[in-house]
Amino acid sequence: EVQLVESGGGLVQPGGSLRLSCAASGFTFSSYDMHWVRQATGKGLEWVSAIGTAGDTYYPGSVKGRFTISRENAKNSLYLQMNSLRAGDTAVYYCARAPSPYYYGMDVWGQGTTVTVSS
Amino acid sequence: IQLTQSPSSLSASVGDRVTITCRASQGISSYLAWYQQKPGKAPKLLIYAASTLQSGVPSRFSGSGSGTDFTLTISSLQPEDFATYYCQQLNSYPRLTFGGGTKVEIK
Repeated sequence: EVQLVESGGGLVQPGGSLRLSCAASGFTFSSYDMHWVRQATGKGLEWVSAIGTAGDTYYPGSVKGRFTISRENAKNSLYLQMNSLRAGDTAVYYCARAPSPYYYGMDVWGQGTTVTVSS
Repeated sequence: IQLTQSPSSLSASVGDRVTITCRASQGISSYLAWYQQKPGKAPKLLIYAASTLQSGVPSRFSGSGSGTDFTLTISSLQPEDFATYYCQQLNSYPRLTFGGGTKVEIK
């Protein structure tokens, strides 16, 4: 079964750090671009970061310089290192798979992990 | 690239035909996807490349459009279709944006 399972969410103080993980199974992880998408309570979806099969990384301005996406293909794992966290980063964070060609969208999503930034 | 969905919410009855629109701030060819999200669940891909149905998605869902104007249509609304729907542009991949969402509620 194709599956993505996120972990690592929790409560963190403003200015703190957190590392999210996403474990992939049931497919050749190294062959896919991977993304993180977040959703604040009652709000819409926001793209957070992407990593290509070659390890190239991309971020929107809202997290650039604070978040780092990485992957470890030998462990079928995706990561999101989040530093200098702000209240506005509070959200459910999803990892998602993006098949090639890119216009296929994101066809597999994890169940999400909740990050709460609060003092 | 900004995506504007309308309406932001709608009320409909089982069996109704429902149409949701998504307008892009600039042309995105056919690089648009639609997702369905139910409360407490992850989004589910319904349509990609503006009009191609994802495997396993019922045929009552359809998508159309190109350039800046796109439409998601549910031909006959079913009880399991009450959810929030999002469009997503992939023209600037991997830098992606989503529309604000359309919540489909029971009338």
